[in-house]
Amino acid sequence: GAVVSQHPSWVICKSGTSVKIECRSLDFQATTMFWYRQFPKQSLMLMATSNEGSKATYEQGVEKDKFLINHASLTLSTLTVTSAHPEDSSFYICSARAPGGAGTDTQYFGPGTRLTVL
Amino acid sequence: GENVEQHPSTLSVQEGDSAVIKCTYSDSASNYFPWYKQELGKRPQLIIDIRSNVGEKKDQRIAVTLNKTAKHFSLHITETQPEDSAVYFCATSPYNNNDMRFGAGTRLTVKP
Repeated sequence: GAVVSQHPSWVICKSGTSVKIECRSLDFQATTMFWYRQFPKQSLMLMATSNEGSKATYEQGVEKDKFLINHASLTLSTLTVTSAHPEDSSFYICSARAPGGAGTDTQYFGPGTRLTVL
Repeated sequence: GENVEQHPSTLSVQEGDSAVIKCTYSDSASNYFPWYKQELGKRPQLIIDIRSNVGEKKDQRIAVTLNKTAKHFSLHITETQPEDSAVYFCATSPYNNNDMRFGAGTRLTVKP
């Protein structure tokens, strides 16, 4: 149980274009999902918390107009990188919090999306 | 906000030896302490976690110890194997809170 998928697994795009990344919880409903960014050989940096049916909560320094998050259902959150630039190239990973009980604070991660902006 | 420090940044051990990774944190409200293993280009995988009402937890070759007074917790891997080679991250969060913070990671290499 607690499987999280992410699509696409990798994407290459031209500078100035927008890229949408999907995060799905496959066997559970997730009212809360999280988006992280990871640069090579570095740790995971929380970008934003995605709440189903409400606005996302962004971490300090993350531009909400650049990284659009939509959590339209209990199993899907999307991250859109708008007007992408080479410095946005990174590994983007989502996670979802398992529902209910003592394990409500356990996060399960998607496989990640490697974004390369040319 | 929470500050999580992880040491060492790299660790190399001989197969069969033990490996210990330590993390310290600053927020006394932190209540949940997971450890993740990440192989190159793959997702972080939860390997063990501990909550603040427990001082130690063990799962086969992996154990985690927690000292809430001193605000530090450690991952212990015994009888290491080459397949244990990966980057390990500690993390903390207050119970039922969204705010999970990660350590910088430890690159463990187990030499056969």
